[in-house]
Amino acid sequence: AQKITQTQPGMFVQEKEAVTLDCTYDTSDQSYGLFWYKQPSSGEMIFLIYQGSYDEQNATEGRYSLNFQKARKSANLVISASQLGDSAMYFCAMREGYSSASKIIFGSGTRLSIRP
Amino acid sequence: SQTIHQWPATLVQPVGSPLSLECTVEGTSNPNLYWYRQAAGRGLQLLFYSVGIGQISSEVPQNLSASRPQDRQFILSSKKLLLSDSGFYLCAWSAGQGVNTIYFGEGSWLTVV
Repeated sequence: AQKITQTQPGMFVQEKEAVTLDCTYDTSDQSYGLFWYKQPSSGEMIFLIYQGSYDEQNATEGRYSLNFQKARKSANLVISASQLGDSAMYFCAMREGYSSASKIIFGSGTRLSIRP
Repeated sequence: SQTIHQWPATLVQPVGSPLSLECTVEGTSNPNLYWYRQAAGRGLQLLFYSVGIGQISSEVPQNLSASRPQDRQFILSSKKLLLSDSGFYLCAWSAGQGVNTIYFGEGSWLTVV
């Protein structure tokens, strides 16, 4: 069963607009973590933001925020005031469990394109 | 500071040939190590992960194997490559419990012809 689902294969957004990238997950663990990574065309993986399952506040990092809705099992990434440099693939990922042996799995990604 | 390197960056291999991709981490001890594969324009598929020397968990049964001969070295191998093995291979590491970041290498582009 797919654990991480990103339902938007591609999105086009006008520069300076806010954008929300969807991510839903499935786990029976009470302790887990959720990540977002950005992958430009160069292929490098850039860490954006992390949310722990016990964190009560939504995580924020600059223009990035994670809209964490635990009951709905969703962890959407919100990018405010989008820029041309935000054009990239975006991946949601989950660490299931808390131990050091917990593996980290990724979704299929969303390709975001920012229009000038 | 911690760094991760993997090589080679690019390789073109004929079908049926062997493969060896290497990844090393510096500046940390006993890291968790991961190999992911990304088909063109697709998501990251977890292939192997390791929590210690000689401890390898395989996620996808296939003609690939992984080894961890040293604490900070992770090797991805194949005895005979298939066309479907083409893709972008990423090594990554994390540390400790409750991991809140994993760090990726530069990636290796493999084209099987």
